Amino acid sequence: DAGVIQSPRHEVTEMGQEVTLRCKPISGHNSLFWYRQTMMRGLELLIYFNNNVPIDDSGMPEDRFSAKMPNASFSTLKIQPSEPRDSAVYFCASTTNRGMNTEAFFGQGTRLTVV
Amino acid sequence: DQQVKQNSPSLRVQEGRISILNCDYTNSMFDYFLWYKKYPAEGPTFLISISSIKDKNEDGRFTVFLNKSAKHLSLHIVPSQPGDSAVYFCAASAGKSGYSTLTFGKGTMLLVSP
Repeated sequence: DAGVIQSPRHEVTEMGQEVTLRCKPISGHNSLFWYRQTMMRGLELLIYFNNNVPIDDSGMPEDRFSAKMPNASFSTLKIQPSEPRDSAVYFCASTTNRGMNTEAFFGQGTRLTVV
Repeated sequence: DQQVKQNSPSLRVQEGRISILNCDYTNSMFDYFLWYKKYPAEGPTFLISISSIKDKNEDGRFTVFLNKSAKHLSLHIVPSQPGDSAVYFCAASAGKSGYSTLTFGKGTMLLVSP
């Protein structure tokens, strides 16, 4: 298996533009997570899907952020409009069950820079 | 409010010596703890874990110790190797709560010098 695949690896965009980050989880995994890493706050959970259904989105910082999982093999995280403070590395992770007592597998991340 | 805390942003150790990375948590519902390792420009990778029913788990050079009364866990790497240089994240989950997610600390950067 190729692991969790994220695209793009790097994204530079201007403030106010829409940004879409993509994730393909490991085949057979039914839980998917979006995390954001910053120097100040470390790794923060943004949203968690189980069987394509959003379970916990309390970490989504603002209404500018939205996430979808239209099927078991694809998820998107959208920021509209983007702001410089959104600059961070965004990670997608997946796991085999409801996330109980098991490790999550991470993608390589998307480094987002909003100028 | 950080529920998982790694108070040492960085740690420098000589090759061959022991590396000890520490982690404290505040949520008494946490019952599963993990350590992840992260190299630059890569995603975190799972290293070792421990359930709250145990106080020690060992895997090769890596041992995790859990002290539930102190809400503290530590990762020991013996002997340390230059390839261990990376950022180490402590994470915790509350599996008994049903749907469980991982809460991470801010990480400790370990540098193992030759």
